[in-house]
Amino acid sequence: AQSVSQHNHHVILSEAASLELGCNYSYGGTVNLFWYVQYPGQHLQLLLKYFSGDPLVKGIKGFEAEFIKSKFSFNLRKPSVQWSDTAEYFCAVNPSNTDKLIFGTGTRLQVFP
Amino acid sequence: EAGVTQFPSHSVIEKGQTVTLRCDPISGHDNLYWYRRVMGKEIKFLLHFVKESKQDESGMPNNRFLAERTGGTYSTLKVQPAELEDSGVYFCASSQGGFKTQYFGPGTRLLVL
Repeated sequence: AQSVSQHNHHVILSEAASLELGCNYSYGGTVNLFWYVQYPGQHLQLLLKYFSGDPLVKGIKGFEAEFIKSKFSFNLRKPSVQWSDTAEYFCAVNPSNTDKLIFGTGTRLQVFP
Repeated sequence: EAGVTQFPSHSVIEKGQTVTLRCDPISGHDNLYWYRRVMGKEIKFLLHFVKESKQDESGMPNNRFLAERTGGTYSTLKVQPAELEDSGVYFCASSQGGFKTQYFGPGTRLLVL
């Protein structure tokens, strides 16, 4: 069955620390890839997406993600986090033969000032 | 432009009762999706409408769940009768025809006692 794994369930960082959240998926075909973020009390928002082309994708608020096809990975990175990045982050995969999104379990990020 | 809206934001019902959730997609979006997140688990796909037609309902858990999309505009998701395991957050998302990016609503938090 198609699945998405987010290795870190809860990450705690100090401001200015670097962030990398792992995401791996199990699907052998072509995929579209997404990272969504849910800030406290808000709805899911699109952070960035990859459909094709340059595997290094830049999103909003200084986030970026790299698609490594050979590793079935789409890790999220930010060089220096801020307190306002405290949120839950979701990796999602859309196999090209469907329209649905398959989500990971989410990673809760807490950033302390 | 208004985003995806959902009503109610919260619902607390007793086992055996009926609940109806509503989703209004972004105007002009033909695709409408329902997802559910049970506490501590991943966000799971329930079904996908294209206009008023069900394109994919492979994620619907059982026949206690009924989704409709009248006239290709808003959608309702009825749970009848509700069971304890139906508790969770129900998300609605929409996307434009031919585009893969889904925009999410704030969710409805359902608690079945």
